[in-house]
Amino acid sequence: GAVVSQHPSRVICKSGTSVKIECRSLDFQATTMFWYRQFPKQSLMLMATSNEGSKATYEQGVEKDKFLINHASLTLSTLTVTSAHPEDSSFYICSAPGGGGASDTQYFGPGTRLTVL
Amino acid sequence: GENVEQHPSTLSVQEGDSAVIKCTYSDSASNYFPWYKQELGKGPQLIIDIRSNVGEKKDQRIAVTLNKTAKHFSLHITETQPEDSAVYFCAASTDSWGKLQFGAGTQVVVTP
Repeated sequence: GAVVSQHPSRVICKSGTSVKIECRSLDFQATTMFWYRQFPKQSLMLMATSNEGSKATYEQGVEKDKFLINHASLTLSTLTVTSAHPEDSSFYICSAPGGGGASDTQYFGPGTRLTVL
Repeated sequence: GENVEQHPSTLSVQEGDSAVIKCTYSDSASNYFPWYKQELGKGPQLIIDIRSNVGEKKDQRIAVTLNKTAKHFSLHITETQPEDSAVYFCAASTDSWGKLQFGAGTQVVVTP
């Protein structure tokens, strides 16, 4: 099946710094990718839809100036958490639709654990 | 928007028994319903999905049923094994390439 990777898998940063997370589709092209956030023992909450070559679409309540998304190529989307604070500590997961035809589905990355001190 | 409810929140079963997780959705336009298994510290892994033109789908020990009229779908795991222990999420979307609305998740524990 299709593979989506994320880098880094884990990051610890100081409060006030910015952190960039990469999401790559390894063997297929993705004009759209999705970014989710998951707090401990909770479900995945969609943050934004990343669109190649255009602006991202953010879900209600998600600050677009704090969570910067860039989808510069058909295989790479980045999420930058700016001026991170402890409450931004979470598990960030991306997904990309792919497969083709009847096997169309969404493939998830392994996630990035962000800890803000 | 879409709202997906999932029950139960936790499920303990003896090895070899069956496990059933149920989800309901609110948007009648939803037509794609995947199920994901998530192990601790990892991303969700698709285990099975169903589209609205099908009422049931099976893959070895896993099956999913869909009742569009009642707007609910269920995951059935037979002959459970300890490695089935994980959190399972249902989701709904208007298409397989669109935004997914997730249920709250079910923690499944299979005891030997």
